[in-house]
Amino acid sequence: DAKTTQPTSMDCAEGRAANLPCNHSTISGNEYVYWYRQIHSQGPQYIIHGLKNNETNEMASLIITEDRKSSTLILPHATLRDTAVYYCIVRVAEAAGNKLTFGGGTRVLVKP
Amino acid sequence: GAVVSQHPSWVICKSGTSVKIECRSLDFQATTMFWYRQFPKQSLMLMATSNEGSKATYEQGVEKDKFLINHASLTLSTLTVTSAHPEDSSFYICSARAIQATNQPQHFGDGTRLSIL
Repeated sequence: DAKTTQPTSMDCAEGRAANLPCNHSTISGNEYVYWYRQIHSQGPQYIIHGLKNNETNEMASLIITEDRKSSTLILPHATLRDTAVYYCIVRVAEAAGNKLTFGGGTRVLVKP
Repeated sequence: GAVVSQHPSWVICKSGTSVKIECRSLDFQATTMFWYRQFPKQSLMLMATSNEGSKATYEQGVEKDKFLINHASLTLSTLTVTSAHPEDSSFYICSARAIQATNQPQHFGDGTRLSIL
């Protein structure tokens, strides 16, 4: 699976949009981009995923560049409960046994 | 939505004892489940892939005789930490994905915090 690069940490203001970048310059054509987050002392929570089109759900939006070498997770209105470590992972989707490999993630602190 | 349940959520035991952790998919069937370990201030590290009806696949450096995995049904996988020692103290997390949901996400349990005295 392609390696991803994320900033180590970032601060966001409550109520504002939070834009979390992720570089995956070696991504293959059949690899999806997944985003998870982990709130302190809990298991990771799925946020969103996509292949090449931008995606939106009730939690966030995912913007993938046309060359697919980078993406941005957007939390439209950050709340204090969005404070967590956010992981960007790329992986092939075909086989049910494909594992997720977690990098260091971005530690996001939402401030009042 | 898909729910993965882990039990217990927290356990403290004496050095030398064995501890079993259960991972259940509550509303879907999973032929494959994954076990991760997470030390403080570190990321999740995959320990093994649990396959229903067959042997687990362990990541390099993970002792299969130390961490016994059993995946006896499509909704249950167990991890047993045998003869646990203080260095095995960690946060253990499982995940699963529904059968034939190849591009759908894995869902994670809330983890088991294991403390060995």
